[in-house]
Amino acid sequence: DTAVSQTPKYLVTQMGNDKSIKCEQNLGHDTMYWYKQDSKKFLKIMFSYNNKELIINETVPNRFSPKSPDKAHLNLHINSLELGDSAVYFCATKGTGQETQYFGPGTRLLVL
Amino acid sequence: GESVGLHLPTLSVQEGDNSIINCAYSNSASDYFIWYKQESGKGPQFIIDIRSNMDKRQGQRVTVLLNKTVKHLSLQIAATQPGDSAVYFCAENIGLVSNFGNEKLTFGTGTRLTIIP
Repeated sequence: DTAVSQTPKYLVTQMGNDKSIKCEQNLGHDTMYWYKQDSKKFLKIMFSYNNKELIINETVPNRFSPKSPDKAHLNLHINSLELGDSAVYFCATKGTGQETQYFGPGTRLLVL
Repeated sequence: GESVGLHLPTLSVQEGDNSIINCAYSNSASDYFIWYKQESGKGPQFIIDIRSNMDKRQGQRVTVLLNKTVKHLSLQIAATQPGDSAVYFCAENIGLVSNFGNEKLTFGTGTRLTIIP
């Protein structure tokens, strides 16, 4: 079983569209994150959730709205997609009291 | 602002040789550091970590060294293999470990390691 999974793996869409990407984990971890990796491989945190509650919001545009329906899932909805949103989005999870974050395989978003 | 950076963006090493990847950090309050390996088309994979109360930690074929005096972190990979080819990231933990998810990792820019057969 994959510990942290993301869907879809690839997403190609037009500017202005609204899209969602999803993350699921079976590690029983309480904390989940979204990261964005740009074309230069730079990884930057966007959000973190702990027990379905938003904890970190790194001044991400409000076109990005995360949602955690339960502890095992963290989704990311993006409104009015822009060219600059093209990137790889990674979900990560972390157990309570631990520091190591475990990453999913990524969702490759291309906005045309 | 404070950041984590790497000295070398690329590194080529002959198969079987040892490799050293360096990382400089500037946040003196960071107390936990992690090395991740990212292969092409995959997510970052945990390699090894170290707390600030240690200066060395060893894993299988990997060793992390921490020099708090000069805020420097390195990853040594012994007897490199083709499968070691990847981008390696160091990351520092900013924020105390808690049960509330307010810790966050700040990543360096990455070093691409290529193993030459």
